[in-house]
Amino acid sequence: EIVLTQSPGTLSLSPGERATLSCRASQSVSSSYLAWYQQKPGQAPRLLIYGASSRATAIPDRFSGGGSGTDFTLTISRLEPEDFAVYYCQQYGSSTSFGQGTKLEIK
Amino acid sequence: QVQLVQSGAEGKKPGASVKVSCKASGYSFTGYTMHWVRQAPGQSLEWMGWINAGNADTKYSEKFQGRVTITRDTSASTAYMEMSSLRSEDTAMYYCARGAYNSGWEPFDYWGQGTLVTVSS
Repeated sequence: EIVLTQSPGTLSLSPGERATLSCRASQSVSSSYLAWYQQKPGQAPRLLIYGASSRATAIPDRFSGGGSGTDFTLTISRLEPEDFAVYYCQQYGSSTSFGQGTKLEIK
Repeated sequence: QVQLVQSGAEGKKPGASVKVSCKASGYSFTGYTMHWVRQAPGQSLEWMGWINAGNADTKYSEKFQGRVTITRDTSASTAYMEMSSLRSEDTAMYYCARGAYNSGWEPFDYWGQGTLVTVSS
């Protein structure tokens, strides 16, 4: 099973700042089969990025994904108040598994 | 628009079973896989299994193999997740989620609202 480790556990930033979240896999994720989700309290997760770098439908272009192999990043270029949430990465190249999450909180 | 609507919260005693439903609308139900994912309080997401809604093929996480059964009713566009031998550690929010590619190993592009299952004596 591929284990995904996300860092940092908590990221404290202000609106307007740039956020960079990391997801590291215990082995290479084939064909960049990596997705990112956003989850707000009391809500289901929402798909943001798939295939490591493709934005899902209706996702603003301030969200971008990158990386390959074992190291992936989610970048939010300029934080909006609604972006403060928990973010999860998921690999689907070998079965499927999720990271433990990064909480993005307002500084 | 695509919608997945799950059944309501359940309270169960240890050793009992629970069956959660997920009614799909807004797309061709048999053209996609349906996954089940759970989230214990304050924890991350845990994949449980999927069903190909077209041919009813299933795949389960090893952790849940033998204790979870996923089925579907195409006439009702509804998927079901049944878990037996419940224990307190199964207290969690259970989500259904549509697979984006109908391949089994894929991102999840639409999610149900979640069903809270509480296991307590």
